[in-house]
Amino acid sequence: GAGVSQSPSNKVTEKGKDVELRCDPISGHTALYWYRQSLGQGLEFLIYFQGNSAPDKSGLPSDRFSAERTGGSVSTLTIQRTQQEDSAVYLCASSSIGTSGNHEQYFGPGTRLTVT
Amino acid sequence: RKEVEQDPGPFNVPEGATVAFNCTYSNSASQSFFWYRQDCRKEPKLLMSVYSSGNEDGRFTAQLNRASQYISLLIRDSKLSDSATYLCAVNSRGFGNEKLTFGTGTRLTIIP
Repeated sequence: GAGVSQSPSNKVTEKGKDVELRCDPISGHTALYWYRQSLGQGLEFLIYFQGNSAPDKSGLPSDRFSAERTGGSVSTLTIQRTQQEDSAVYLCASSSIGTSGNHEQYFGPGTRLTVT
Repeated sequence: RKEVEQDPGPFNVPEGATVAFNCTYSNSASQSFFWYRQDCRKEPKLLMSVYSSGNEDGRFTAQLNRASQYISLLIRDSKLSDSATYLCAVNSRGFGNEKLTFGTGTRLTIIP
C-alpha cells in the first residue's frame, strides 16, 4: 500500500521567506509526527498530532514554526522568516499499532530544506 | 546524560561476520523500543520492534534488558547490503502514541 508521502522533496529558499511543507500519512493512521534531521545529527522531534489536535508541540524550536492537520489526514509544517539554521531534512511519520501493541512509526522520504 | 545513547562507530565488519550494537536509555518508564535502518540521504526505515522477551527476524535479533536499560541488535551472517546507519528509538514517555527519541545512530560498513 501507499506509504507516507511528503512534498516538496527539495526546497531552496532565501533567508526571511516563509515555507510550507506537506505530509500525507498512511491511510488510516491517526497519529502523525514531524521530526527534523540536520547534517550529521540525530532525529529531533518537533510536534505530534493525534487526529487534528497536537498534544505535544514541545519540540518546535521557536514561534516561527507552526503546524496544522486537517481532516485527520494531511499536515502542513510552516516555517516563517526562515533562517539558515533551519536548513535540515524535515521528516514526517505516521503510526499504527503493530502486532506487539507498539506504536510503530513509518517515515516519509522527507523534505530537504536549504535556506540561502 | 542523553536520553538515548549509541556508539556512533563506525563498525567495519567483514562480510559473513556477526555484529552487535547496544543502545542505552535513561527513562526507566520507557515502554516501546525500536531499531531503524537509515541509508545515506534516505529516511529511516523500521527494522524491527523490540519485544520484552526478545525477538528474531531472519538474521536479525533484538533484545531488551530492562534492568540495565539497554536494547541490542545482533546481525548474523552480515551482507554487503547491511551497510547503513542503525538508529535505536525509544518511547521515553512510557505511553503509547507519542514521540520517539532517537539515538544518533551507529554506522555499519560491511567489507567484502
